[in-house]
Amino acid sequence: SQQGEEDPQALSIQEGENATMNCSYKTSINNLQWYRQNSGRGLVHLILIRSNEREKHSGRLRVTLDTSKKSSSLLITASRAADTASYFCATDSSDQAGTALIFGKGTTLSVSS
Amino acid sequence: DTGVSQDPRHKITKRGQNVTFRCDPISEHNRLYWYRQTLGQGPEFLTYFQNEAQLEKSRLLSDRFSAERPKGSFSTLEIQRTEQGDSAMYLCASLPGPQETQYFGPGTRLLVL
Repeated sequence: SQQGEEDPQALSIQEGENATMNCSYKTSINNLQWYRQNSGRGLVHLILIRSNEREKHSGRLRVTLDTSKKSSSLLITASRAADTASYFCATDSSDQAGTALIFGKGTTLSVSS
Repeated sequence: DTGVSQDPRHKITKRGQNVTFRCDPISEHNRLYWYRQTLGQGPEFLTYFQNEAQLEKSRLLSDRFSAERPKGSFSTLEIQRTEQGDSAMYLCASLPGPQETQYFGPGTRLLVL
């Protein structure tokens, strides 16, 4: 079953604009990860944020985590056409052995030039 | 390229046939996961290995599915008597230890006719 829910399901922006995607989850977590997937391809890891962290940056990416609201956001600044992809958040439940990731349905981002 | 490879990348088969997929994880990673992803959804956990031991299986893994990881290196996922509902992308991921980043392979896309 899906744990996370990304919002919005689809987002269309112009190059240079910022894109914000949100993720909500249900259970207590050890960490939350964001992945990118280009159409028909494998998942590329973007960033991991642990449950005791509130914000993390990596290049043009900024991720926040609010464990009290069980939510996270991914901000992509100064977007490029190459950022066009599906973005997934994934959590590993602190209650679950093996740390299998539980994914949401993803946000499809389209960046036009 | 994440360092995780999967073979084949695409497989078309007729209903009732058996298929086998292979995953080669990053060499020093002792944990290996299999996921299945259908169109428009996020990946869903199938099974997990720590070294050669299969430690967890999802309810999605019916008795037609079997996975192995002999010698704790590469892993195979076999589907017997394939059904049209098995059509999906099968993804493999590896990581060096618990609560670390999972690195995904490019996936094997299966189409059952």
